[in-house]
Amino acid sequence: SQKIEQNSEALNIQEGKTATLTCNYTNYSPAYLQWYRQDPGRGPVFLLLIRENEKEKRKERLKVTFDTTLKQSLFHVTASQPADSATYLCALVGNSGGGADGLTFGKGTHLIIQP
Amino acid sequence: DTAVSQTPKYLVTQMGNDKSIKCEQNLGHDTMYWYKQDSKKFLKIMFSYNNKELIINETVPNRFSPKSPDKAHLNLHINSLELGDSAVYFCASSHISDTQYFGPGTRLTVL
Repeated sequence: SQKIEQNSEALNIQEGKTATLTCNYTNYSPAYLQWYRQDPGRGPVFLLLIRENEKEKRKERLKVTFDTTLKQSLFHVTASQPADSATYLCALVGNSGGGADGLTFGKGTHLIIQP
Repeated sequence: DTAVSQTPKYLVTQMGNDKSIKCEQNLGHDTMYWYKQDSKKFLKIMFSYNNKELIINETVPNRFSPKSPDKAHLNLHINSLELGDSAVYFCASSHISDTQYFGPGTRLTVL
Protein backbone atom coordinates (compact mmCIF):
# COMPACT_ATOMS: atom_id res chain seq x y z
CA SER A 1 0.00 0.00 0.00
CA GLN A 2 1.03 3.61 -0.48
CA LYS A 3 2.92 5.11 2.41
CA ILE A 4 4.43 8.49 3.28
CA GLU A 5 6.77 8.74 6.25
CA GLN A 6 8.18 11.87 7.82
CA ASN A 7 11.29 11.53 9.91
CA SER A 8 10.07 12.36 13.38
CA GLU A 9 7.16 13.78 15.24
CA ALA A 10 9.19 16.64 16.73
CA LEU A 11 12.44 18.33 15.82
CA ASN A 12 14.15 20.85 18.10
CA ILE A 13 16.58 23.26 16.44
CA GLN A 14 18.45 26.25 17.78
CA GLU A 15 17.64 29.60 16.22
CA GLY A 16 19.92 30.44 13.31
CA LYS A 17 20.69 26.82 12.43
CA THR A 18 19.37 24.90 9.44
CA ALA A 19 16.49 22.52 10.07
CA THR A 20 16.24 19.50 7.76
CA LEU A 21 13.01 17.51 7.55
CA THR A 22 12.71 14.21 5.69
CA CYS A 23 9.86 12.74 3.70
CA ASN A 24 10.09 9.16 2.39
CA TYR A 25 7.46 7.45 0.31
CA THR A 26 6.76 3.96 -0.99
CA ASN A 27 4.51 2.60 -3.72
CA TYR A 28 4.11 5.96 -5.41
CA SER A 29 5.33 7.30 -8.70
CA PRO A 30 4.49 10.95 -8.09
CA ALA A 31 4.74 13.56 -10.80
CA TYR A 32 5.34 16.10 -8.04
CA LEU A 33 5.58 16.47 -4.28
CA GLN A 34 4.33 19.32 -2.11
CA TRP A 35 5.19 20.74 1.29
CA TYR A 36 2.69 22.49 3.54
CA ARG A 37 2.93 24.31 6.84
CA GLN A 38 0.26 23.96 9.53
CA ASP A 39 0.02 26.17 12.60
CA PRO A 40 -2.14 25.16 15.61
CA GLY A 41 -5.83 25.72 14.98
CA ARG A 42 -5.34 26.55 11.30
CA GLY A 43 -5.50 24.83 7.95
CA PRO A 44 -2.40 23.76 6.05
CA VAL A 45 -0.73 26.44 3.93
CA PHE A 46 1.08 25.58 0.72
CA LEU A 47 4.82 26.29 0.70
CA LEU A 48 6.57 24.59 -2.20
CA LEU A 49 5.92 22.16 -5.03
CA ILE A 50 8.73 20.23 -6.69
CA ARG A 51 8.31 18.19 -9.86
CA GLU A 52 9.91 14.84 -10.61
CA ASN A 53 12.30 16.38 -13.12
CA GLU A 54 13.48 19.03 -10.63
CA LYS A 55 16.26 18.27 -8.18
CA GLU A 56 15.90 21.36 -6.06
CA LYS A 57 13.51 24.25 -5.47
CA ARG A 58 13.99 27.35 -3.36
CA LYS A 59 11.76 29.99 -1.85
CA GLU A 60 13.37 32.58 0.39
CA ARG A 61 14.91 30.59 3.30
CA LEU A 62 13.23 27.35 2.25
CA LYS A 63 14.79 24.69 0.05
CA VAL A 64 13.32 21.39 -1.11
CA THR A 65 15.08 18.52 -2.84
CA PHE A 66 13.45 15.56 -4.55
CA ASP A 67 15.20 12.27 -5.26
CA THR A 68 12.88 9.92 -7.16
CA THR A 69 15.46 7.13 -7.02
CA LEU A 70 15.64 7.22 -3.23
CA LYS A 71 11.93 8.12 -3.08
CA GLN A 72 12.77 10.92 -0.73
CA SER A 73 12.33 14.66 -0.34
CA LEU A 74 14.30 16.86 2.04
CA PHE A 75 12.92 20.15 3.31
CA HIS A 76 15.43 22.68 4.64
CA VAL A 77 14.77 25.82 6.64
CA THR A 78 17.94 27.90 6.69
CA ALA A 79 18.73 30.64 9.24
CA SER A 80 15.78 29.34 11.25
CA GLN A 81 13.70 31.67 13.39
CA PRO A 82 11.22 31.00 16.22
CA ALA A 83 8.44 32.06 13.79
CA ASP A 84 9.30 29.00 11.69
CA SER A 85 8.01 26.78 14.49
CA ALA A 86 5.07 24.81 13.08
CA THR A 87 4.14 21.39 11.74
CA TYR A 88 5.41 20.72 8.23
CA LEU A 89 3.54 18.26 6.07
CA CYS A 90 4.76 16.41 3.03
CA ALA A 91 2.04 15.58 0.49
CA LEU A 92 1.64 13.55 -2.67
CA VAL A 93 -1.25 13.27 -5.09
CA GLY A 94 -3.08 10.01 -4.47
CA ASN A 95 -3.07 7.30 -7.08
CA SER A 96 -6.85 7.21 -7.42
CA GLY A 97 -6.60 8.38 -11.03
CA GLY A 98 -9.09 10.64 -12.79
CA GLY A 99 -6.99 13.75 -12.31
CA ALA A 100 -8.86 15.32 -9.39
CA ASP A 101 -7.01 13.40 -6.74
CA GLY A 102 -6.84 14.65 -3.21
CA LEU A 103 -3.53 14.89 -1.44
CA THR A 104 -2.15 12.10 0.70
CA PHE A 105 -0.28 13.62 3.62
CA GLY A 106 2.46 12.36 5.86
CA LYS A 107 1.88 12.67 9.57
CA GLY A 108 3.98 15.80 9.69
CA THR A 109 7.04 16.93 11.59
CA HIS A 110 6.59 19.41 14.42
CA LEU A 111 9.52 21.82 14.13
CA ILE A 112 10.44 23.83 17.21
CA ILE A 113 12.98 26.63 16.84
CA GLN A 114 14.41 27.58 20.19
CA PRO A 115 15.69 31.13 20.76
CA ASP B 1 -11.12 38.57 1.32
CA THR B 2 -11.07 35.02 2.65
CA ALA B 3 -10.16 32.56 -0.10
CA VAL B 4 -11.69 29.41 1.41
CA SER B 5 -14.18 29.84 4.21
CA GLN B 6 -16.00 27.29 6.36
CA THR B 7 -18.90 27.57 8.77
CA PRO B 8 -19.24 26.89 11.57
CA LYS B 9 -15.79 27.01 13.12
CA TYR B 10 -16.93 24.92 16.09
CA LEU B 11 -19.74 22.39 16.20
CA VAL B 12 -20.76 20.53 19.36
CA THR B 13 -23.59 18.04 19.07
CA GLN B 14 -25.08 14.87 20.49
CA MET B 15 -24.61 11.39 19.10
CA GLY B 16 -27.27 10.48 16.56
CA ASN B 17 -27.85 14.03 15.32
CA ASP B 18 -27.52 15.19 11.71
CA LYS B 19 -25.32 18.19 10.95
CA SER B 20 -23.89 20.13 8.03
CA ILE B 21 -20.68 22.05 7.46
CA LYS B 22 -20.55 24.67 4.71
CA CYS B 23 -17.61 25.58 2.53
CA GLU B 24 -17.18 28.36 0.00
CA GLN B 25 -14.21 29.38 -2.16
CA ASN B 26 -13.81 32.61 -4.12
CA LEU B 27 -10.68 31.57 -6.01
CA GLY B 28 -12.43 30.37 -9.15
CA HIS B 29 -11.09 26.86 -8.63
CA ASP B 30 -12.72 23.91 -10.35
CA THR B 31 -12.08 21.28 -7.69
CA MET B 32 -13.00 21.20 -4.01
CA TYR B 33 -12.14 18.70 -1.28
CA TRP B 34 -13.00 17.62 2.23
CA TYR B 35 -10.31 16.35 4.61
CA LYS B 36 -10.56 14.95 8.13
CA GLN B 37 -7.85 15.54 10.73
CA ASP B 38 -8.13 13.18 13.67
CA SER B 39 -6.91 13.55 17.24
CA LYS B 40 -3.44 12.36 16.20
CA LYS B 41 -3.31 15.22 13.67
CA PHE B 42 -3.34 12.84 10.73
CA LEU B 43 -4.92 14.58 7.73
CA LYS B 44 -6.86 12.33 5.38
CA ILE B 45 -8.78 12.99 2.16
CA MET B 46 -12.49 12.22 2.29
CA PHE B 47 -13.96 13.55 -0.96
CA SER B 48 -13.17 15.66 -3.96
CA TYR B 49 -15.58 17.35 -6.38
CA ASN B 50 -14.71 18.49 -9.87
CA ASN B 51 -17.30 20.30 -11.98
CA LYS B 52 -20.03 19.15 -9.60
CA GLU B 53 -19.02 15.53 -10.01
CA LEU B 54 -17.68 13.34 -7.25
CA ILE B 55 -14.33 12.14 -8.49
CA ILE B 56 -12.97 10.19 -5.55
CA ASN B 57 -14.62 8.79 -2.49
CA GLU B 58 -12.29 7.18 -0.02
CA THR B 59 -13.53 4.58 2.47
CA VAL B 60 -15.82 7.00 4.22
CA PRO B 61 -19.10 5.84 5.79
CA ASN B 62 -22.14 6.67 3.69
CA ARG B 63 -23.41 8.75 6.61
CA PHE B 64 -21.17 11.41 5.11
CA SER B 65 -22.43 13.03 1.94
CA PRO B 66 -20.89 15.97 0.10
CA LYS B 67 -23.22 18.30 -1.76
CA SER B 68 -22.11 20.89 -4.26
CA PRO B 69 -24.79 23.40 -5.35
CA ASP B 70 -22.25 25.16 -7.59
CA LYS B 71 -18.53 25.33 -8.33
CA ALA B 72 -17.85 27.69 -5.42
CA HIS B 73 -19.51 25.60 -2.71
CA LEU B 74 -19.04 22.11 -1.29
CA ASN B 75 -21.05 21.31 1.81
CA LEU B 76 -20.62 18.26 4.00
CA HIS B 77 -23.67 16.56 5.48
CA ILE B 78 -23.25 14.04 8.26
CA ASN B 79 -26.12 11.81 9.40
CA SER B 80 -26.41 9.87 12.66
CA LEU B 81 -23.26 11.31 14.17
CA GLU B 82 -21.02 8.96 16.14
CA LEU B 83 -18.35 9.62 18.77
CA GLY B 84 -15.64 8.64 16.28
CA ASP B 85 -16.69 11.45 13.96
CA SER B 86 -15.15 13.97 16.36
CA ALA B 87 -12.31 15.61 14.47
CA VAL B 88 -11.37 18.76 12.60
CA TYR B 89 -12.76 18.89 9.08
CA PHE B 90 -11.00 20.96 6.44
CA CYS B 91 -12.34 22.11 3.13
CA ALA B 92 -9.86 22.87 0.33
CA SER B 93 -9.94 23.95 -3.29
CA SER B 94 -7.59 23.93 -6.27
CA HIS B 95 -7.37 23.95 -10.02
CA ILE B 96 -7.30 20.29 -10.95
CA SER B 97 -4.11 18.58 -9.73
CA ASP B 98 -2.64 21.89 -8.55
CA THR B 99 -1.70 23.21 -5.14
CA GLN B 100 -4.53 23.29 -2.66
CA TYR B 101 -5.88 26.12 -0.54
CA PHE B 102 -7.36 25.10 2.78
CA GLY B 103 -10.08 26.63 4.87
CA PRO B 104 -9.65 27.33 8.59
CA GLY B 105 -11.27 24.07 9.66
CA THR B 106 -14.40 23.07 11.59
CA ARG B 107 -13.86 21.38 14.93
CA LEU B 108 -16.65 18.84 15.40
CA THR B 109 -17.23 17.40 18.86
CA VAL B 110 -19.76 14.61 19.26
CA LEU B 111 -20.92 14.00 22.84
